[in-house]
Amino acid sequence: DGGITQSPKYLFRKEGQNVTLSCEQNLNHDAMYWYRQDPGQGLRLIYYSQIVNDFQKGDIAEGYSVSREKKESFPLTVTSAQKNPTAFYLCASLALGGGYGYTFGSGTRLTVV
Amino acid sequence: AQKVTQAQTEISVVEKEDVTLDCVYETRDTTYYLFWYKQPPSGELVFLIRRNSFDEQNEISGRYSWNFQKSTSSFNFTITASQVVDSAVYFCALRQGGSEKLVFGKGTKLTVNP
Repeated sequence: DGGITQSPKYLFRKEGQNVTLSCEQNLNHDAMYWYRQDPGQGLRLIYYSQIVNDFQKGDIAEGYSVSREKKESFPLTVTSAQKNPTAFYLCASLALGGGYGYTFGSGTRLTVV
Repeated sequence: AQKVTQAQTEISVVEKEDVTLDCVYETRDTTYYLFWYKQPPSGELVFLIRRNSFDEQNEISGRYSWNFQKSTSSFNFTITASQVVDSAVYFCALRQGGSEKLVFGKGTKLTVNP
């Protein structure tokens, strides 16, 4: 079945460490997105990519980095510069021009310990 | 700038009650898309509906219905005869035409009690 796979489901990070969250899709979608969800804050856009080897900052990109070397993959690195990384991270994809509902992964819950 | 406001943070109802979740949006574009998503406790967002700005017809899907009114910039969601399985956080979202960015409201947590 087509869909988006995020891993791991739970991730613990020590302060000062970088961690990478995985997002893979087999939907042949062009665009991919990373959102951060905090309690009572809704979803906020971190980064997005419409084509391979190109990506744009969203509203809260500071302290994060991404890459898009393959159409299927859009990993997110939470760097030590991100001061408050504990959150729920959701990856999504969209077929460009479709205007239809985005497909979301099941999320990764990151906790700083 | 685009913005989505869901004024109801939490709603609690008893099973079989009808409940309406409010969504008000702001955009300067004439072409845009509105969405509703459901987020159950598992965390994944489930797509419920998309409506484009040129289609103001209301829609009904089983117990779910949506009321889109451009005059008041609202896209409200009603669940009829609510069930415990409807308990979730519901998000309204907006995408401007020509943009691939989806802007979310802060969500409404619905609890349906047996």
